[in-house]
Amino acid sequence: DARVTQTPRHKVTEMGQEVTMRCQPILGHNTVFWYRQTMMQGLELLAYFRNRAPLDDSGMPKDRFSAEMPDATLATLKIQPSEPRDSAVYFCASGLGEGAYCEQYFGPGTRLTVT
Amino acid sequence: QKEVEQDPGPLSVPEGAIVSLNCTYSNSAFQYFMWYRQYSRKGPELLMYTYSSGNKEDGRFTAQVDKSSKYISLFIRDSQPSDSATYLCAMSASNTDKLIFGTGTRLQVFP
Repeated sequence: DARVTQTPRHKVTEMGQEVTMRCQPILGHNTVFWYRQTMMQGLELLAYFRNRAPLDDSGMPKDRFSAEMPDATLATLKIQPSEPRDSAVYFCASGLGEGAYCEQYFGPGTRLTVT
Repeated sequence: QKEVEQDPGPLSVPEGAIVSLNCTYSNSAFQYFMWYRQYSRKGPELLMYTYSSGNKEDGRFTAQVDKSSKYISLFIRDSQPSDSATYLCAMSASNTDKLIFGTGTRLQVFP
């Protein structure tokens, strides 16, 4: 049963600390998306990659957020320094896409709380 | 104004009812329309996908797209308590795989 995995599932940290979230996409998928979900804003796209190359990171605060794909089986989202307003659920999704519609499969999310 | 608007609910219906969930949008370039279901503390999962206008049926679920009105709907027939979840609409233009999501409608089906 192929699925997207994310670690950690929960993270509580203090303001100013670095946070790293990891995602393992479904094997064979070439596109990886990072989303943030809050009650107020809903699900927002932060960044996405195709074949490990960043395609769009316009939704991501550049000064503190960074996203990378060190290899095809790992995507990371890092926040440094973290702030209370970063508290949200962060989802990774993967899919097989070629520039048009790409069916996205979501992971279980990382619930981040910054105090 | 958001590109995609969705009533947050909550919507509470008895088991067996027909449920209608809706989204409106402003971007006429949207061509792909999706409905995702999200259970509490889980990731969204794709329920239905429609390209351009028209209807699509899958079991108890029917998705409708009216591009002239910029309005999409999801109908659930014979609703079950297991349908209790948040339903998110999502859409994208044809030249991108970036999805724009609605904020979701929380549905509760009571026995």
